[in-house]
Amino acid sequence: DAMVIQNPRYQVTQFGKPVTLSCSQTLNHNVMYWYQQKSSQAPKLLFHYYDKDFNNEADTPDNFQSRRPNTSFCFLDIRSPGLGDAAMYLCATSRAGDSTETQYFGPGTRLLVL
Amino acid sequence: GEDVEQSLFLSVREGDSSVINCTYTDSSSTYLYWYKQEPGAGLQLLTYIFSNMDMKQDQRLTVLLNKKDKHLSLRIADTQTGDSAIYFCAERGSGTYKYIFGTGTRLKVLA
Repeated sequence: DAMVIQNPRYQVTQFGKPVTLSCSQTLNHNVMYWYQQKSSQAPKLLFHYYDKDFNNEADTPDNFQSRRPNTSFCFLDIRSPGLGDAAMYLCATSRAGDSTETQYFGPGTRLLVL
Repeated sequence: GEDVEQSLFLSVREGDSSVINCTYTDSSSTYLYWYKQEPGAGLQLLTYIFSNMDMKQDQRLTVLLNKKDKHLSLRIADTQTGDSAIYFCAERGSGTYKYIFGTGTRLKVLA
């Protein structure tokens, strides 16, 4: 089945230690998104890629970076995680040009910062 | 502004209908969506409605859209314990990929 996969599902890191979360998709969608979701809150968009074009949200901290080496994969790099970065990180994809442009979400990676 | 609001909690008895409400502010929204999130999981698309429609039915789910009042609702018929989750509405404006999510409604189904 076509899907959005996130690894790992749980990630523990230390304060200030760089961490990378990964997302892959078999949907062949050209748009990929990273969201941060804190407990009981709505997902907050960090950035998205339209093909190789990177689009950062104005309020996304510089501490968060992303890479998209090819259509299928997208990475979220947190350069120096702080305690406030502990959250669920959700990857989503969509196909630009589809009439509905529905976003399909992965299962998320829960990040714990010690 | 771009605020999408939902009531925080809803509790219903198993077998009853649930109605989850959402109000949005962007009148240019083309599509509106409902997602379900179970504990520790990602968001699962339930259904969506195009802004020129008033109603959409999909098995136990009925979506009503009142564009004049910018009000969206999701009705779940014959609610089951497996429907317990957080439900998010989301809007997408014309010419943008960006979703604006609602605050989420936590549905609790009592056996």
